[in-house]
Amino acid sequence: GAGVSQSPSNKVTEKGKDVELRCDPISGHTALYWYRQSLGQGLEFLIYFQGNSAPDKSGLPSDRFSAERTGGSVSTLTIQRTQQEDSAVYLCASSFQRKDTQYFGPGTRLTVL
Amino acid sequence: AQSVSQHNHHVILSEAASLELGCNYSYGGTVNLFWYVQYPGQHLQLLLKYFSGDPLVKGIKGFEAEFIKSKFSFNLRKPSVQWSDTAEYFCAVTNSNTGKLIFGQGTTLQVKP
Repeated sequence: GAGVSQSPSNKVTEKGKDVELRCDPISGHTALYWYRQSLGQGLEFLIYFQGNSAPDKSGLPSDRFSAERTGGSVSTLTIQRTQQEDSAVYLCASSFQRKDTQYFGPGTRLTVL
Repeated sequence: AQSVSQHNHHVILSEAASLELGCNYSYGGTVNLFWYVQYPGQHLQLLLKYFSGDPLVKGIKGFEAEFIKSKFSFNLRKPSVQWSDTAEYFCAVTNSNTGKLIFGQGTTLQVKP
């Protein structure tokens, strides 16, 4: 079946602009996670959704970062007023339930100039 | 706070050599443990996982890992590596409350033909 998909695959933006990253989880998966992969910090958790609610937002690095999930499916991660330190690969993962194996998408490579 | 430590950052082996990558975690409660692999240009894929039961788990492509609770370890092994095993390997542990993954810093494996 189809895996987790993410768009765009690459995004180049200027400092100060807002960006939106999209994640389409595997159909039927109730749990959705966002992570960030960068050279200096490795793989970091950002936010967890169960259905449309986000019981764990503890990994969001600042209030410039927000995310939502609608219809228990698609999720959007928004970064406002981007900074150069936001440059990273943003990964989305989904699982059937929160304790199950997570399946990762290909990621969105964000470059902030 | 939970953390995962991978002892080897960069490993270089010749084909047919045996592999062992170390992973230790710090968490006293119930854990689920994972090894993920990222081949060049590809997204994260699950190699194997431990939830409960037999502490010796077998994964894809001949990989296995042993959970030793007393040592808080989950080392990855393969008896004979191939050039196609060249990749980055990540150990991860879940916080069972949310299922979010805490990753180690990763080990880059280079297998020389």
